[in-house]
Amino acid sequence: SQQGEEDPQALSIQEGENATMNCSYKTSINNLQWYRQNSGRGLVHLILIRSNEREKHSGRLRVTLDTSKKSSSLLITASRAADTASYFCARQGTYNTDKLIFGTGTRLQVFP
Amino acid sequence: NAGVTQTPKFQVLKTGQSMTLQCAQDMNHEYMSWYRQDPGMGLRLIHYSVGAGITDQGEVPNGYNVSRSTTEDFPLRLLSAAPSQTSVYFCASSQAGVYFHEQYFGPGTRLTVT
Repeated sequence: SQQGEEDPQALSIQEGENATMNCSYKTSINNLQWYRQNSGRGLVHLILIRSNEREKHSGRLRVTLDTSKKSSSLLITASRAADTASYFCARQGTYNTDKLIFGTGTRLQVFP
Repeated sequence: NAGVTQTPKFQVLKTGQSMTLQCAQDMNHEYMSWYRQDPGMGLRLIHYSVGAGITDQGEVPNGYNVSRSTTEDFPLRLLSAAPSQTSVYFCASSQAGVYFHEQYFGPGTRLTVT
């Protein structure tokens, strides 16, 4: 399968705690994106990071990319109950560049 | 702007029936794609299009056809439905380019094949 692996598959934390999700992949990438999906809804784009970038921030979100380890992480700081959702990474490879391939996702539950 | 719209929201088919899932976007995006989402499998790419008149296969194209006669519309046809096609289907669109841009997703179509 071309799909990346996300770790952990599920994560439960209390409000105010930080949540870290990891994404690993096997082939070289042009860019990697993170998406959020609330239950029963479509996906919403969070952050895009290019292969020549190492870190990006957006509000309480921080994404890092380590191309040597073929991995990325999404950190949500000071989590809120509203952050409860599934989070997916998606990557554009350097081969077959017209395809955006999604990982299997991490289900995050934030308890109030 | 309505963004990406999909119809129907829900559909039940019998094995062997055919149907078309509709997808439309009003953002003048060149790139459009169809994904299916199954429990524990994430999203898998079915077909995609980089512009009107151009389509190509994704990871799981068997049993599905697409066409792209206009920039706005990208319908997905199930030729002869099978229970294995029970899934949630998402359409997405984005600007075209060498590097992928943010993808905009529709709300999804939940399909059950009995």
